Amino acid sequence: DTGVSQDPRHKITKRGQNVTFRCDPISEHNRLYWYRQTLGQGPEFLTYFQNEAQLEKSRLLSDRFSAERPKGSFSTLEIQRTEQGDSAMYLCASSLGGTEYEQYFGPGTRLTVT
Amino acid sequence: AQKITQTQPGMFVQEKEAVTLDCTYDTSDQSYGLFWYKQPSSGEMIFLIYQGSYDEQNATEGRYSLNFQKARKSANLVISASQLGDSAMYFCAMRGYGGSQGNLIFGKGTKLSVKP
Repeated sequence: DTGVSQDPRHKITKRGQNVTFRCDPISEHNRLYWYRQTLGQGPEFLTYFQNEAQLEKSRLLSDRFSAERPKGSFSTLEIQRTEQGDSAMYLCASSLGGTEYEQYFGPGTRLTVT
Repeated sequence: AQKITQTQPGMFVQEKEAVTLDCTYDTSDQSYGLFWYKQPSSGEMIFLIYQGSYDEQNATEGRYSLNFQKARKSANLVISASQLGDSAMYFCAMRGYGGSQGNLIFGKGTKLSVKP
């Protein structure tokens, strides 16, 4: 049984470039979440999907951010015109269901914008 | 709005001793879930324990137990018989049943260091 995987693990990009991250959840999990974590802070919620439907987006998710989960399996998070403030760890998690179900996290993608 | 407060930025504990990590929360939801996660230096978040707001008994998972005091809105994590491998960041988090069911709200974390 494989856990949540994320690709790439590290990404260094120049300001203004676009980047895309991929998350593969645990196969039977219908919910998928994206979080962002900066140094010294807990993860902050960005968005989540139930199957292919994006059910909630945080106000942190500016217009430069877009997330998709086209077939209800893997998900992508794209950041357009990156800024230095986007430098963070981007975490993906999946769960079987709602509130009482724990979320299983992937190893994260560390983004550095220079 | 929901909020998690962890007031201990760092804690030290001697190996084999027990340690309590504090967590208080604020919510207007009647039903909610409380979680603790461990984040080693490798970065991945590891689920430790869950407590539902209507659970009458404190949750336990191996060496981890959650001291849930609903009236005080506290959900402290107790780690018994600390091991060197317990050294990590620990995050308290919550989710509500109403409004957002997707959103895990995290505290700022407590860095636990276990001394040999």
